[in-house]
Amino acid sequence: GNSVTQMEGPVTLSEEAFLTINCTYTATGYPSLFWYVQYPGEGLQLLLKATKADDKGSNKGFEATYRKETTSFHLEKGSVQVSDSAVYFCALSDRGGNNRKLIWGLGTSLAVNP
Amino acid sequence: SAVISQKPSRDICQRGTSLTIQCQVDSQVTMMFWYRQQPGQSLTLIATANQGSEATYESGFVIDKFPISRPNLTFSTLTVSNMSPEDSSIYLCSVEAGARGTEAFFGQGTRLTVV
Repeated sequence: GNSVTQMEGPVTLSEEAFLTINCTYTATGYPSLFWYVQYPGEGLQLLLKATKADDKGSNKGFEATYRKETTSFHLEKGSVQVSDSAVYFCALSDRGGNNRKLIWGLGTSLAVNP
Repeated sequence: SAVISQKPSRDICQRGTSLTIQCQVDSQVTMMFWYRQQPGQSLTLIATANQGSEATYESGFVIDKFPISRPNLTFSTLTVSNMSPEDSSIYLCSVEAGARGTEAFFGQGTRLTVV
């Protein structure tokens, strides 16, 4: 079945450091891929997405490229800020068929220190 | 996009009681989803609620414990019945929107503590 494997946290970085959070997936068909972010005390919100191979999703300085050959969707940011401290979730959905559930990674907690 | 209002935002309940969580969406949606997020863990889908039909429950979740109502295309409720401390969790309502793939929007969640 479909699954998402996400880099374990917590990740602690200094401000302006480079961030990578790894995400790989297993899926049949052609899934869409997502990164969601959960800031402290808030609900989840979509950070970025990619719906087909080689698409790059980007938002708020974060980027992730849909790599079909490596079944990956790693999240990157060149220079993190304290305000990026949050939990990040990788997720996929299968566009085809009747299964429209989202499959979630376990989440990676990021703490950015000033 | 979709804006979701969920209430209550938090509650502390006695074991053996029940709590009903409400989810209101600002637009009509076909499917609404209820998730549980236990401390430090990822999201677990409880059930999918379609208007006009019974909810579809995931493995490990049953209607007697988590009855769901879906009276119209903008509203749903989840009841956590006969609560125990193990039910302490964040419960999230979600809807999908977007022309391609599945893009989920979430309410702010209900933080439930059972004592």
